Amino acid sequence: EPEVTQTPSHQVTQMGQEVILRCVPISNHLYFYWYRQILGQKVEFLVSFYNNEISEKSEIFDDQFSVERPDGSNFTLKIRSTKLEDSAMYFCASTLGQRDTEAFFGQGTRLTVV
Amino acid sequence: DAKTTQPPSMDCAEGRAANLPCNHSTISGNEYVYWYRQIHSQGPQYIIHGLKNNETNEMASLIITEDRKSSTLILPHATLRDTAVYYCIVRYLRGAGNKLTFGGGTRVLVKP
Repeated sequence: EPEVTQTPSHQVTQMGQEVILRCVPISNHLYFYWYRQILGQKVEFLVSFYNNEISEKSEIFDDQFSVERPDGSNFTLKIRSTKLEDSAMYFCASTLGQRDTEAFFGQGTRLTVV
Repeated sequence: DAKTTQPPSMDCAEGRAANLPCNHSTISGNEYVYWYRQIHSQGPQYIIHGLKNNETNEMASLIITEDRKSSTLILPHATLRDTAVYYCIVRYLRGAGNKLTFGGGTRVLVKP
């Protein structure tokens, strides 16, 4: 079964450092997403991406965040200067089309900012 | 997207059917009801979705009331691996993409 893969599974970084979280969506999917889940809290939408541009973003997704699809397979989330409150699980997801019913999620990257 | 209300937790006996309710009284005519689940901080997993007709797949059944103000997800024969948080989500299939708005969900514990 096709799957979304995320690397690394766990990343520890110092406050103020830049981090890049990587995702390989399902190969024929066209829409890509990042969500995050702070420990014990809800899963929150961050951003959606289509045709090499952001299609929607939440208020969480401020200037410290950016997304990129640098090649035909990877989809990355960059946090420029991490804060303690960025510690969370980050999930990448993809869908085949804009009206596709099923979003496929990766297993997540646990980001710990110390 | 319409707001949903789910019980925070419920227990279920292994091998029995698990019936998970969801209220969505403000749902509009072109909003779908989706169910996802999250097993122990893994990525959410799609289960099933519907508009107004009842739906069934290999994982579960979805029963939507005639007025569409509530629905029930049925896991016909719950197993220990079904222990998870189950999310009921109501959303449009709009052109902006597939954003999902997660609530608190129902934490289901399947007991032997």
